[in-house]
Amino acid sequence: AQKITQTQPGMFVQEKEAVTLDCTYDTSDPSYGLFWYKQPSSGEMIFLIYQGSYDQQNATEGRYSLNFQKARKSANLVISASQLGDSAMYFCAMREPGTGRRALTFGSGTRLQVQP
Amino acid sequence: DAGVIQSPRHEVTEMGQEVTLRCKPISGHNSLFWYRQTMMRGLELLIYFNNNVPIDDSGMPEDRFSAKMPNASFSTLKIQPSEPRDSAVYFCASSPGLAGVETQYFGPGTRLLVL
Repeated sequence: AQKITQTQPGMFVQEKEAVTLDCTYDTSDPSYGLFWYKQPSSGEMIFLIYQGSYDQQNATEGRYSLNFQKARKSANLVISASQLGDSAMYFCAMREPGTGRRALTFGSGTRLQVQP
Repeated sequence: DAGVIQSPRHEVTEMGQEVTLRCKPISGHNSLFWYRQTMMRGLELLIYFNNNVPIDDSGMPEDRFSAKMPNASFSTLKIQPSEPRDSAVYFCASSPGLAGVETQYFGPGTRLLVL
């Protein structure tokens, strides 16, 4: 079974509008962490935001927020006021320390294109 | 502060040749990870080290791949002999390794092409 599922291979959004990128996960570890990374066309992986499974509040970092719905096992990334520079691949990832596995498991990614 | 440093950024080699990828983690970080990104398989872990000790190498494809971390500031990933199917982007990432502070910061990657 897929650990991290990103069902949207590609998304389009108009500049200045908000967009939600979906991510669902599967784990039996009660303590886990969820991450979002951005990969622009230049290829680097840029950390955006982190949500811990025990965090009561949804994480926010500037224009990025994470809509964490624990019961539904979803961790959607919301980008507000999209900019042209937001065009990139976005990866959702999970860490499950209770399994002894400290590495990240990544989803397949969503390619976001921001249109002027 | 300097981020994770990887070299070379690009490598083109011929099948059968030895390839060595290098990584310098962020100073003070105790955990180091090697990932590989391909179109077919996405991003997948190859190996990770904690305090210079290999902890999980279950993602290393086969004996042709080896990784070392001789000290806290340097790691290598070696492929010998290389094959065309090894063509990929190889990322090194590091994290503080402290409980509750586990964000991994990635280097720029090495784009490897094996002809």
